[in-house]
Amino acid sequence: EVQLVESGGGLVSPGGSLRLSCEASGFIFSTYTMNWVRQAPGKGLEWLASISSGGLNADNPDSARGRFAISRDNARNSLYLEMNSLRDDDTAVYYCARGIGDYLVYYFDSWGQGTQVTVSS
Amino acid sequence: EIVLTQFPGTLSLSPGERATLSCRASQSFSGSSLAWYQQKPGQAPRLLIYDASNRATGIPDRFSGSGSGTDFTLTISRLEPEDFAVYYCQQYVSSPLTFGGGTKVEIK
Repeated sequence: EVQLVESGGGLVSPGGSLRLSCEASGFIFSTYTMNWVRQAPGKGLEWLASISSGGLNADNPDSARGRFAISRDNARNSLYLEMNSLRDDDTAVYYCARGIGDYLVYYFDSWGQGTQVTVSS
Repeated sequence: EIVLTQFPGTLSLSPGERATLSCRASQSFSGSSLAWYQQKPGQAPRLLIYDASNRATGIPDRFSGSGSGTDFTLTISRLEPEDFAVYYCQQYVSSPLTFGGGTKVEIK
């Protein structure tokens, strides 16, 4: 069974940084593109970042580029999201999701339960 | 960027009724790179449909997807109590990957 378990969320002050982790199990992690998607309170879903199976290629929307960096450690079956210069509007549930598709374009067939990030002073 | 518009925003129906949800893209798709997800309160999204019309593993056959070009539809043939939720479409034609704003299917 595919399992994705996020951790690392919490309360952070505006301008602060946070590193989220996602531990994967139940599948061969190193063969799948992995992604981060977030959902602000009462809002829809927003794609944040993707990283190729080997970790050599990453992609972000313009809104996340420069502040959010995705990485992975295939030896540890783990995915990461480094978030910097956090703002109030980064408050959201952050999901790790497995991607299926071609280079840079994926749908998400498995999701973690999410980790809450709250940016507030 | 491809913008996806979902309508209606809310659909009020009774169990047993048919639900028709729409997703319109700002640019025409050359292919069928559209997915649908279901999300219940406090839960992660769940993949229902990929490639516009293919059901994901374990998804009941009352869920079906159709469409091409700019207009896509998710149909739930007979609503079960567990189907009342929010539904999102997502395109994977081009980066940035984008989602629609969602349609809430609520009990009438």
